[in-house]
Amino acid sequence: GQQVMQIPQYQHVQEGEDFTTYCNSSTTLSNIQWYKQRPGGHPVFLIQLVKSGEVKKQKRLTFQFGEAKKNSSLHITATQTTDVGTYFCAGRGEETSGSRLTFGEGTQLTVNP
Amino acid sequence: NAGVTQTPKFRVLKTGQSMTLLCAQDMNHEYMYWYRQDPGMGLRLIHYSVGEGTTAKGEVPDGYNVSRLKKQNFLLGLESAAPSQTSVYFCASSYRDRNVEQYFGPGTRLTVT
Repeated sequence: GQQVMQIPQYQHVQEGEDFTTYCNSSTTLSNIQWYKQRPGGHPVFLIQLVKSGEVKKQKRLTFQFGEAKKNSSLHITATQTTDVGTYFCAGRGEETSGSRLTFGEGTQLTVNP
Repeated sequence: NAGVTQTPKFRVLKTGQSMTLLCAQDMNHEYMYWYRQDPGMGLRLIHYSVGEGTTAKGEVPDGYNVSRLKKQNFLLGLESAAPSQTSVYFCASSYRDRNVEQYFGPGTRLTVT
């Protein structure tokens, strides 16, 4: 079945440093979504990428979808303490595959002030 | 709008006991999902529903049953709880199947001793 792998599992940074998490799929994806879960909270949708090579920005966050639609990344510039949490990617296979949204294991980000 | 709500928030069960987790959404969404979240394993889909009166198995359905008698409610049942079912359970909903975000409830933390 479809697998979505995410690295690293943990990342500790000093406030102001950059952060990147990577998501890789064993199969071609029709889209990829990113969610953020604050400690003790629930996942909250951040963004969706659909097109090959797509890049989207939300303030200090930059999301990319690979040309082959098998990988994605989330980059945070100049992290702040409010960025603390676990970031999940979630991918969906192509429409004919009948697949469901599959979540990566998540990257837990801690930011030292 | 309350969004997605879950009851209870916490529960401790003994092995072999049964319980039902309730999820309710007030967004008139067709699709509803039950996930479990375990450390280092992301979110795994247990069961889902594509509309009132329908249910389908997800990635890890064994030991769980579900029902969707009303559009706004999705129930998750554990008939005979096992320690392996200790987890955080999240309910989510979406208004259609593909290319839309999922809205998550606050979660239920279940411990089976």
